[in-house]
Amino acid sequence: GPKVLQIPSHQIIDMGQMVTLNCDPVSNHLYFYWYKQILGQQMEFLVNFYNGKVMEKSKLFKDQFSVERPDGSYFTLKIQPTALEDSAVYFCASSPRLGGHAEQFFGPGTRLTVL
Amino acid sequence: AQSVTQPDARVTVSEGASLQLRCKYSYFGTPYLFWYVQYPRQGLQLLLKYYPGDPVVQGVNGFEAEFSKSNSSFHLRKASVHWSDWAVYFCAVRITGNYKYVFGAGTRLKVIA
Repeated sequence: GPKVLQIPSHQIIDMGQMVTLNCDPVSNHLYFYWYKQILGQQMEFLVNFYNGKVMEKSKLFKDQFSVERPDGSYFTLKIQPTALEDSAVYFCASSPRLGGHAEQFFGPGTRLTVL
Repeated sequence: AQSVTQPDARVTVSEGASLQLRCKYSYFGTPYLFWYVQYPRQGLQLLLKYYPGDPVVQGVNGFEAEFSKSNSSFHLRKASVHWSDWAVYFCAVRITGNYKYVFGAGTRLKVIA
């Protein structure tokens, strides 16, 4: 079935550095999402994105976070600067449309470790 | 506020035994509910989804779930568990309006011989 890819699978960086997490969504999908899962906790919604714009963001989506999808390439989540509490697994998802019977397809996640 | 609770963090069953993984939701209105499975180093894979209609939903690999409005539940069941079902299972509700998912914490299923 359709697959969402995420690169890299694991990223280790020092606090204060910038990191970019990359997501390759399903090719004909239009809506994109990022979720964050701290170890042992629930996966929580960060942001959704459509037509070049953020549609909605949660309180977890701090000012240091940004998303973009330049020219139909990767859908990226950038954190600048990173903080210790940003250590988590970040899941990307995409869907072809909103509502109805459309479901979100999830990637395998990027494990971010901030030292 | 909308929420999903999976009360069992870990469940262990014998291969061939039946399985029930519990999910309780809190949502104002008619929920759209999902069960996903996550195998090691893979993304979430959809097992089944509930849209308003028949309360019993059939999914892949012999899984089914039953929606209960009165109990605010969407429990996942399987008649006979296979070792390949060893994974983490997530229940989620989709929020009308922005269509984000609210997830439960997950249930880690272990299958023993």
